Amino acid sequence: DQQVKQNSPSLSVQEGRISILNCDYTNSMFDYFLWYKKYPAEGPTFLISISSIKDKNEDGRFTVFLNKSAKHLSLHIVPSQPGDSAVYFCAASARGGSQGNLIFGKGTKLSVKP
Amino acid sequence: DGGITQSPKYLFRKEGQNVTLSCEQNLNHDAMYWYRQDPGQGLRLIYYSQIVNDFQKGDIAEGYSVSREKKESFPLTVTSAQKNPTAFYLCASSIGSANYGYTFGSGTRLTVV
Repeated sequence: DQQVKQNSPSLSVQEGRISILNCDYTNSMFDYFLWYKKYPAEGPTFLISISSIKDKNEDGRFTVFLNKSAKHLSLHIVPSQPGDSAVYFCAASARGGSQGNLIFGKGTKLSVKP
Repeated sequence: DGGITQSPKYLFRKEGQNVTLSCEQNLNHDAMYWYRQDPGQGLRLIYYSQIVNDFQKGDIAEGYSVSREKKESFPLTVTSAQKNPTAFYLCASSIGSANYGYTFGSGTRLTVV
């Protein structure tokens, strides 16, 4: 059973507009969440993270929002740029990471059109 | 520059042969991980190791084996028992707690013919 779900396999937006990528989780023990960005034939790179004690974290054009009651988080990219076109993975960990590994969603492929 | 290196980038093997994928890091990270990526499947954990000489099975360990004799190295062997070995394999490392996030290698594309 998937503990981290990214229900949209793909998303297409126009350059300059906002991209919103969504992620849902089922395990209430998850207390730390991360977003990774991946280009084809490359390893994922860390983008932004958020602890469960916060509901928002911002880093430049990227903002992650966490709604614990809904077990939902989202990544906002404003403004979107063509270089943002990639697959984005949501990941979660439990008990301060002591579980030993991250649980990843299946990813959302973002395409930003010029 | 510190980083994590996977080699080779592309690997071709005949069906029934074992093959070993290399993963080396010079980040002084304690933990290392192997993931497999298939289209539409995301990243699935094969094995992970939090300290030298110790490792645990992930969600899809069948048909794979690992060793962790040195802190810097975590090779993955894909055995002939793995039913569908063709995939993109990713190695990662972390300081310790997964909360610090992973540093990933650039991956190895294994094709079995």
